[in-house]
Amino acid sequence: DGGITQSPKYLFRKEGQNVTLSCEQNLNHDAMYWYRQDPGQGLRLIYYSQIVNDFQKGDIAEGYSVSREKKESFPLTVTSAQKNPTAFYLCASKTDTDEKLFFGSGTQLSVL
Amino acid sequence: AQSVTQLGSHVSVSEGALVLLRCNYSSSVPPYLFWYVQYPNQGLQLLLKYTSAATLVKGINGFEAEFKKSETSFHLTKPSAHMSDAAEYFCAVSESKNFGNEKLTFGTGTRLTIIP
Repeated sequence: DGGITQSPKYLFRKEGQNVTLSCEQNLNHDAMYWYRQDPGQGLRLIYYSQIVNDFQKGDIAEGYSVSREKKESFPLTVTSAQKNPTAFYLCASKTDTDEKLFFGSGTQLSVL
Repeated sequence: AQSVTQLGSHVSVSEGALVLLRCNYSSSVPPYLFWYVQYPNQGLQLLLKYTSAATLVKGINGFEAEFKKSETSFHLTKPSAHMSDAAEYFCAVSESKNFGNEKLTFGTGTRLTIIP
């Protein structure tokens, strides 16, 4: 079945550590997105990519980095510069011709 | 700039009662509007979308929403609540059809609780 796979489901970060969240899709979608979800704040866009080897900052990109070397993959790195990383992270994708976003099941990141 | 306001972060209704979740938007151009649902510890699923066709939009699971330009609203309704409707609901707006380089702006969400 086609879909978006995020891993791991739960992730713990130590002080000063970089961690990488995985997002893989087999829907042949061109566009991919990373959102951060905090209670009571809805979803905020971190980074998005419309095409391989290209990506743009969203509203809250500071302390995060991404890459898009393959169409299927859009990993997110939470760097040590992100001082408040505890949140639920959602990856999404869509085609160029439809408005519907497809979401993964999310990664809960916590700080030790 | 586009924005979305969801009135009521928590809504409780009895099973079988009407569900009404409120969403108001702000947009400088005709908007594209969406409702997404999130079940616990999961991603979001599209319930329905308004893309400038019919103003009354029907979605999955018996939900529908009406676009009212004069009120800048896109409220979500369901005639009879079911226990399985308990979830968090997000309204979202975009100012472009496929929001290529434009972003999709989400509201802060409404948590719906169904009372047996």
